[in-house]
Amino acid sequence: DQQVKQNSPSLSVQEGRISILNCDYTNSMFDYFLWYKKYPAEGPTFLISISSIKDKNEDGRFTVFLNKSAKHLSLHIVPSQPGDSAVYFCAASGGDGNNRLAFGKGNQVVVIP
Amino acid sequence: NAGVTQTPKFQVLKTGQSMTLQCAQDMNHEYMSWYRQDPGMGLRLIHYSVGAGITDQGEVPNGYNVSRSTTEDFPLRLLSAAPSQTSVYFCASRNVGVSNQPQHFGDGTRLSIL
Repeated sequence: DQQVKQNSPSLSVQEGRISILNCDYTNSMFDYFLWYKKYPAEGPTFLISISSIKDKNEDGRFTVFLNKSAKHLSLHIVPSQPGDSAVYFCAASGGDGNNRLAFGKGNQVVVIP
Repeated sequence: NAGVTQTPKFQVLKTGQSMTLQCAQDMNHEYMSWYRQDPGMGLRLIHYSVGAGITDQGEVPNGYNVSRSTTEDFPLRLLSAAPSQTSVYFCASRNVGVSNQPQHFGDGTRLSIL
């Protein structure tokens, strides 16, 4: 049973516009959430994270929003750049004492120049 | 700083063969883990280790063995390869000394079982 869900598997956006990726989770014990970015033939690279005690974390063009009551988080990329074209994975951890990560299935983002 | 290094990058096996996927990290991270990535499935945890001498099962451990004799290395063994184990395998590590640290991933091993 998937604890982290990413719907809308692919997203196309014009360069300079905003990309919004959504993620839902079911386990209320999760207390740490991350977004990873993955290019073909490479491993996932850490992008941004948020702790459950916050509702927003910003790092340059990337902002993650957390709505604990809805068990929902989102990643905003603005402005989108062609180099942002990649697969983005949402991940979550917490509650089991071992900090194991549960991943979503990923969203393919294509930024059109 | 090499980070997490996985070898080999590609491998083709026949059903029933055994092999070991190597993973090494030079960041002195206590926590190491193995994932497999299949189309439409995201990353699924196979095995993980919280330190030398300690390993535990993840979400999909069947058909795989691991050991952790040193902090740096965390090999994944396929005892008798099956076509269902065709996948891309990623090793990751993280520092557990500080809370909420992200995992660092290697570039993966692409494995095909014929």
